Amino acid sequence: DTEVTQTPKHLVMGMTNKKSLKCEQHMGHRAMYWYKQKAKKPPELMFVYSYEKLSINESVPSRFSPECPNSSLLNLHLHALQPEDSALYLCASSRTRAGADQPQHFGDGTRLSIL
Amino acid sequence: GQQVMQIPQYQHVQEGEDFTTYCNSSTTLSNIQWYKQRPGGHPVFLIQLVKSGEVKKQKRLTFQFGEAKKNSSLHITATQTTDVGTYFCAATLNTGNQFYFGTGTSLTVIP
Repeated sequence: DTEVTQTPKHLVMGMTNKKSLKCEQHMGHRAMYWYKQKAKKPPELMFVYSYEKLSINESVPSRFSPECPNSSLLNLHLHALQPEDSALYLCASSRTRAGADQPQHFGDGTRLSIL
Repeated sequence: GQQVMQIPQYQHVQEGEDFTTYCNSSTTLSNIQWYKQRPGGHPVFLIQLVKSGEVKKQKRLTFQFGEAKKNSSLHITATQTTDVGTYFCAATLNTGNQFYFGTGTSLTVIP
């Protein structure tokens, strides 16, 4: 069982659609992350929020827009995605920022398919 | 380019055999973490190593951090079918705050 909850578990959308992925944790963690993972590849860091402020944006296209409404919630807004954006999107959290001796706790992910 | 490399990419072993995956970087690492991802699952944190030359054990798993803090290894003794999955190292480079997952080693255990 994971303490990081992601919804939806699966999402199929067209290239003109707008959708959002949601992530929630109630462990009191102050850092939250979005990763993209393609099949048989490692997770690739997209965004890091530290104390509700965006601290890392790994040159992600603007069709992905993150939002951190509060310390427990993280959203990823999607618009005009491309077929190559089909992947597993993982949310994670840690007590403080990655690299500061804190393990990351991952959600089960949202499996996204772009038609 | 990929900052943290792992070898081998794939490993098939008979149940009961040992298994080792190696994680290498050209840059000194601040620390290193290891994660396991079961097929269809999400990465699960296993352990973190911080000190040069550090060795930690978890039952049949032994983790090492190199003296130069540029490499690490995970060794599993007497593999079981429950060990199946992809093992990732993950590290922060000393040159900045960037956090990278290694390329991963996929372990298959044949009963």
